[in-house]
Amino acid sequence: GNSVTQMEGPVTLSEEAFLTINCTYTATGYPSLFWYVQYPGEGLQLLLKATKADDKGSNKGFEATYRKETTSFHLEKGSVQVSDSAVYFCAPGGATNKLIFGTGTLLAVQP
Amino acid sequence: GAVVSQHPSWVICKSGTSVKIECRSLDFQATTMFWYRQFPKQSLMLMATSNEGSKATYEQGVEKDKFLINHASLTLSTLTVTSAHPEDSSFYICSARGGVDTSGSPYEQYFGPGTRLTVT
Repeated sequence: GNSVTQMEGPVTLSEEAFLTINCTYTATGYPSLFWYVQYPGEGLQLLLKATKADDKGSNKGFEATYRKETTSFHLEKGSVQVSDSAVYFCAPGGATNKLIFGTGTLLAVQP
Repeated sequence: GAVVSQHPSWVICKSGTSVKIECRSLDFQATTMFWYRQFPKQSLMLMATSNEGSKATYEQGVEKDKFLINHASLTLSTLTVTSAHPEDSSFYICSARGGVDTSGSPYEQYFGPGTRLTVT
């Protein structure tokens, strides 16, 4: 079945630093790929998605590119803010469109 | 975006009792709802998928008689933890989805805020 490996946290950065959170997956076929974010005390929210190879999902300054050749979907942001502090989940869509979640990466941004 | 609510947000129950958790899609019709369990500092584990009007599909290792799921309408699904024990204490999260688009890509899942269950 599908699986996902996500960069372990916590990741601690200073404000305006560059962020990369790695995510690789194994899947049959070509699943849709998602990044979800969970802010403290809130439910998960979709951050961005990509539905086919070479697609780039972007939102709120975050980007991730669907790399079929490396089966990766790394999350990046050029300049993080304190308000970006949250847990980030990588999630490929499974064969029946179920989401398979990574372990989550806690990001802490310090002023 | 679409809103999904869960009730209660937290509940404490005694061992051996049953507790029901509700998941509602407030402004859209959810043909499919998912129930997850999240342990501290761990990822979400999918427990079951429920489609409106049909029986839920449980993931391997999840006891269907222990975790009863009902999806009676397009806006409501319930999870009942029967004969709860301390090991059932966890954070339960539901999500709702409206369907798939014409290319077969799934519509976004919208997540509820979660329910913290503590069994004493």
